[in-house]
Amino acid sequence: GAVVSQHPSRVICKSGTSVKIECRSLDFQATTMFWYRQFPKQSLMLMATSNEGSKATYEQGVEKDKFLINHASLTLSTLTVTSAHPEDSSFYICSARLFGRTGGALGYEQYFGPGTRLTVT
Amino acid sequence: AQSVTQLDSQVPVFEEAPVELRCNYSSSVSVYLFWYVQYPNQGLQLLLKYLSGSTLVKGINGFEAEFNKSQTSFHLRKPSVHISDTAEYFCAVSSIKAAGNKLTFGGGTRVLVKP
Repeated sequence: GAVVSQHPSRVICKSGTSVKIECRSLDFQATTMFWYRQFPKQSLMLMATSNEGSKATYEQGVEKDKFLINHASLTLSTLTVTSAHPEDSSFYICSARLFGRTGGALGYEQYFGPGTRLTVT
Repeated sequence: AQSVTQLDSQVPVFEEAPVELRCNYSSSVSVYLFWYVQYPNQGLQLLLKYLSGSTLVKGINGFEAEFNKSQTSFHLRKPSVHISDTAEYFCAVSSIKAAGNKLTFGGGTRVLVKP
């Protein structure tokens, strides 16, 4: 259970075009999803928190107009990279938050998608 | 705010030898603690987590970690590694009370298991 998918897994686009990445929770509903960015050999940096039915909350330094997030349903969040440039090339990973009891304790846990490799030429 | 420090960026280890990956955190509030593994070009997979209760946590693939509140540490261990354990390992924390329970990740430790 608690599977998260991302589509596409890999995308190459030309500079100036826009790219949409989908994140789906396949077997649970997620009111909150997160989008991360990971540069080669580096850690994950949180970009934004996506909330179903409301505006996303962006981390400091992340351009809202460049990285558009839409969380239109309880199982789908999308990240659109607008007017992409080579510096936007990165590995984008989403996660979906689930609250439940695990190992005798209640708490939130994030389930991660497999990631999307974006290359802007 | 929280921060996570993984003291070793890279750990080479021979197959069937034990390994310990160190993680220290800083937080002014109570936190949940996690260890994730990432294989090349893949997302993150949860190895184990500490929410409350016993400070020794057992996870998947033979890994375990011990929460030490006084030392603010959550070190990950495996008594005998396999070639397939070669991967990047991330320690992460989230505030129990923070809105959204955002995760803060450490810089990662690359484990290279040698035959």
